[in-house]
Amino acid sequence: GAGVSQSPSNKVTEKGKDVELRCDPISGHTALYWYRQSLGQGLEFLIYFQGNSAPDKSGLPSDRFSAERTGGSVSTLTIQRTQQEDSAVYLCASSLKNEEKLFFGSGTQLSVL
Amino acid sequence: QKEVEQDPGPLSVPEGAIVSLNCTYSNSAFQYFMWYRQYSRKGPELLMYTYSSGNKEDGRFTAQVDKSSKYISLFIRDSQPSDSATYLCAMSAGPDKLIFGTGTRLQVFP
Repeated sequence: GAGVSQSPSNKVTEKGKDVELRCDPISGHTALYWYRQSLGQGLEFLIYFQGNSAPDKSGLPSDRFSAERTGGSVSTLTIQRTQQEDSAVYLCASSLKNEEKLFFGSGTQLSVL
Repeated sequence: QKEVEQDPGPLSVPEGAIVSLNCTYSNSAFQYFMWYRQYSRKGPELLMYTYSSGNKEDGRFTAQVDKSSKYISLFIRDSQPSDSATYLCAMSAGPDKLIFGTGTRLQVFP
């Protein structure tokens, strides 16, 4: 597809379970970003990839959160031992190298019961 | 204090009104300024992009940046019900992470 693709679109999980969220960026975009959006909040930066490396992981809220990117394309955000406060929309965006304009996917709505 | 401040609204206006949305910021290193529009259950989409100070116009939308006051604005002329969405300002110092405002929810009623 032409846009950023995220899956699943919705995920309901029980507290304590691990979840994996997937992002497929726009073809040719070398930069990839993960953001989190909680109800009534702005977008909270989580992590940024340039190619397969992550020069900025400063936004990851705890060591339960990790992300990887393989082949300079698909990225996976993993949340271990989920907590109720992890409930939010997780948004992925991509951009061309050294471009400030981000293109977002529709997000994954995560609900932790 | 947040790096970027934005009034969350909601802002409710009649169709045809001029809408003014604003953000203030504290980091003088910011030089790339953007406005994103987000419809319900969708990801944000880039609406306007401005580098440094000045104005930019695109159809019914005008973006203004005043770096001396650390203040940016988005104006929507002849607002339409289809403009009803959340508008997020975003800015960065360089080609890395964007810092977003909390978003202003706009409702344009017929």
